[in-house]
Amino acid sequence: QQQVKQSPQSLIVQKGGISIINCAYENTAFDYFPWYQQFPGKGPALLIAIRPDVSEKKEGRFTISFNKSAKQFSLHIMDSQPGDSATYFCAASRAIQGAQKLVFGQGTRLTINP
Amino acid sequence: DTEVTQTPKHLVMGMTNKKSLKCEQHMGHRAMYWYKQKAKKPPELMFVYSYEKLSINESVPSRFSPECPNSSLLNLHLHALQPEDSALYLCASSRSGLAGGGTDTQYFGPGTRLTVL
Repeated sequence: QQQVKQSPQSLIVQKGGISIINCAYENTAFDYFPWYQQFPGKGPALLIAIRPDVSEKKEGRFTISFNKSAKQFSLHIMDSQPGDSATYFCAASRAIQGAQKLVFGQGTRLTINP
Repeated sequence: DTEVTQTPKHLVMGMTNKKSLKCEQHMGHRAMYWYKQKAKKPPELMFVYSYEKLSINESVPSRFSPECPNSSLLNLHLHALQPEDSALYLCASSRSGLAGGGTDTQYFGPGTRLTVL
């Protein structure tokens, strides 16, 4: 019930192409869906996030698409650049015991070839 | 300022040592978190503090002991660790778990790379 499934595990895209990462969740109690970007040796950094009452959110080259009925969401990176090469984690969040519990997907290692 | 700082950046310790990790934030956040991250894996939640009180312990072994001295500081005391405890330890903070806290953003620090010999 707490799982978030993420695919693919790794992805190679040519510079200028579109990178697409998919996630699915089970627990309908989740009410916030952030994506984190992590570079080697660094902590995860929030990239973009969406609430389940919105079907799409765009920030620059990054877009989240959200399908509430299917319990799926995806990250699209347009015009992918070598600097986007990193590990991406989707997550699902809910409030619990006075804080926020994040459940992460397993991660996607994205490589953008120049 | 959305910065969470962690010290030290790297730590090497023997199995009989006692050491501490430190985390600090000045964003006025009232929820703070410790995560453990192994290579090529997602962060795993260890502890959550809300309003300086421990609210979640994810069945972490007692050789890890968290402490929240005030709303800006979070410590993780380490004692008698095992080599399998070697990992990146991440601290994070968020505004609050109350009143819609599920939609709060968690901000992560850069982590402490721990090696247990």
